Amino acid sequence: NAGVTQTPKFQVLKTGQSMTLQCAQDMNHNSMYWYRQDPGMGLRLIYYSASEGTTDKGEVPNGYNVSRLNKREFSLRLESAAPSQTSVYFCASSARQGELANQPQHFGDGTRLSIL
Amino acid sequence: SQQGEEDPQALSIQEGENATMNCSYKTSINNLQWYRQNSGRGLVHLILIRSNEREKHSGRLRVTLDTSKKSSSLLITASRAADTASYFCATVPIYNFNKFYFGSGTKLNVKP
Repeated sequence: NAGVTQTPKFQVLKTGQSMTLQCAQDMNHNSMYWYRQDPGMGLRLIYYSASEGTTDKGEVPNGYNVSRLNKREFSLRLESAAPSQTSVYFCASSARQGELANQPQHFGDGTRLSIL
Repeated sequence: SQQGEEDPQALSIQEGENATMNCSYKTSINNLQWYRQNSGRGLVHLILIRSNEREKHSGRLRVTLDTSKKSSSLLITASRAADTASYFCATVPIYNFNKFYFGSGTKLNVKP
């Protein structure tokens, strides 16, 4: 049972390049999330998708776009990478939120992204 | 920022001792959750406490919640070297059940 799978695990980009981070979950969860984690800091929410077909901004959405491709997959795109986007990116999923707020999140192992 | 703050930022103890971590937050919450992160890995959910609960136990974990002070604590009893990790609290605000706000974490080192 894979849970949440992120690809790639590592990536180095040059400033201005574009890239898509992939995330897939096999737990039939409705909600999916993208976070970034910088050294010494907690996770900051970039975008989330409460259900298939919807996406919403989190705390730090600038410079990113997302696509909820289907119920399983939620991708994060950097259109023009900047050094400030060097970070570890985590994808997470959870069972339906909203009226079922008391649900934990399940995380992938992250994508370590360096932008030179 | 809605993020919680944890203290201490780092904690070093001997195996067998208890470890206590604290979390403070800013907004009214639906629930508060604690997660563990081993080096180089994703976060793993440990325990969830609802806003109408004051204390919860799970194995060697004890979580308390004081909504009047907007604070929570995580106690790990009889620590083991395998408990070495970073611990984060996450709050789910009442105004948006889809958002999780994570604290900056406590790095726990348990020495054998």
